[in-house]
Amino acid sequence: SQQGEEDPQALSIQEGENATMNCSYKTSINNLQWYRQNSGRGLVHLILIRSNEREKHSGRLRVTLDTSKKSSSLLITASRAADTASYFCATDALRSYKLIFGSGTRLLVRP
Amino acid sequence: EADIYQTPRYLVIGTGKKITLECSQTMGHDKMYWYQQDPGMELHLIHYSYGVNSTEKGDLSSESTVSRIRTEHFPLTLESARPSHTSQYLCASSGSGVQPQHFGDGTRLSIL
Repeated sequence: SQQGEEDPQALSIQEGENATMNCSYKTSINNLQWYRQNSGRGLVHLILIRSNEREKHSGRLRVTLDTSKKSSSLLITASRAADTASYFCATDALRSYKLIFGSGTRLLVRP
Repeated sequence: EADIYQTPRYLVIGTGKKITLECSQTMGHDKMYWYQQDPGMELHLIHYSYGVNSTEKGDLSSESTVSRIRTEHFPLTLESARPSHTSQYLCASSGSGVQPQHFGDGTRLSIL
């Protein structure tokens, strides 16, 4: 079964609103990463948070990590139509460089 | 943008053909990966390589094979394509240590 599961599966918001996506995982990790995928394209790395970090910011992105609950959230503030994409979390198992991806959240930002 | 390239972007081909999907990166990354992704679904790792002459099967069983003769090149081959191989194939690479993966734009493969 997959390591990461995302919630919600799909999210539709108005431009300017905030979007929050959640990711849960099952085993201990070194770090957790978030990626964005535009339709028909490859994935683009957004942010990496290590297991000893609780929060990280990058521009309009804010990621939190709670290792006790094995969960992470991605917040996109002041969303734009260009943020429309699928967002995936990915975790790596201890002593491994392999990533295990969640099922993704499909975000639609309406202009 | 990351310098990792996949060709072809789209391929429609008949059953039984031999197919090679190309992946090249110019970043000198040691680690390279192949993922399979059905539309709207998660990525599944099918092959990875930690360096030249090093290849391993991923978590999802695949009838494809890979080779890593040069650092920058990681082709994937299907000896005899079947309709069940229809999917999107994504190639990625990463550098030393804990680094994000850089992805190509994928090959969308359709087997008739």
